[in-house]
Amino acid sequence: GAVVSQHPSRVICKSGTSVKIECRSLDFQATTMFWYRQFPKQSLMLMATSNEGSKATYEQGVEKDKFLINHASLTLSTLTVTSAHPEDSSFYICSARDQAGGLNEQFFGPGTRLTVL
Amino acid sequence: AQKITQTQPGMFVQEKEAVTLDCTYDTSDQSYGLFWYKQPSSGEMIFLIYQGSYDEQNATEGRYSLNFQKARKSANLVISASQLGDSAMYFCAMREAPSSGNTPLVFGKGTRLSVIA
Repeated sequence: GAVVSQHPSRVICKSGTSVKIECRSLDFQATTMFWYRQFPKQSLMLMATSNEGSKATYEQGVEKDKFLINHASLTLSTLTVTSAHPEDSSFYICSARDQAGGLNEQFFGPGTRLTVL
Repeated sequence: AQKITQTQPGMFVQEKEAVTLDCTYDTSDQSYGLFWYKQPSSGEMIFLIYQGSYDEQNATEGRYSLNFQKARKSANLVISASQLGDSAMYFCAMREAPSSGNTPLVFGKGTRLSVIA
């Protein structure tokens, strides 16, 4: 099946710094990528839908100025957590669909565990 | 309103026995897709099985089968012959109007399955 990679897999940073997470589709083109956040023992919550070449669509309650999303190419989307604070500590997962694939295809990256001290 | 409801926070099953994980959904769309994912402690999302709203047959994938009851809006996952490695979180998810590439997956709260030797 198709592969989605995320980098880094784990990051620890100080409060106030910015962290960039990359999501890549390795062997397919993804016009749309989705960013989810998962707190411990909870479900995946959609943060935003990232469309190649246009602005991301954010879910209600997600600050677009804090969580900057860029989808500059068909294989790369980035999520930047700006001025991170301890409450931003979470597991961030990206997901992508192969635009040429079947209706049932949705591929997830392995996730990035962010810890803000 | 919750689009995906998983009423079992945790389940236990004896090794080699079958187990059913419940999922009900809410949508007014005629076209939608239902998914089950497994999430082990590593955090990766492992796709298990998919059921399209127009599929007349229940989906099966190896030891996994989906008991799709459209009128009741339920999509329960059945795992046969449970193995110790099946211990994980299980998420039910739905995509409405799956022909649209921009529609995200919406997840239920998950069920933690523990397989006992």
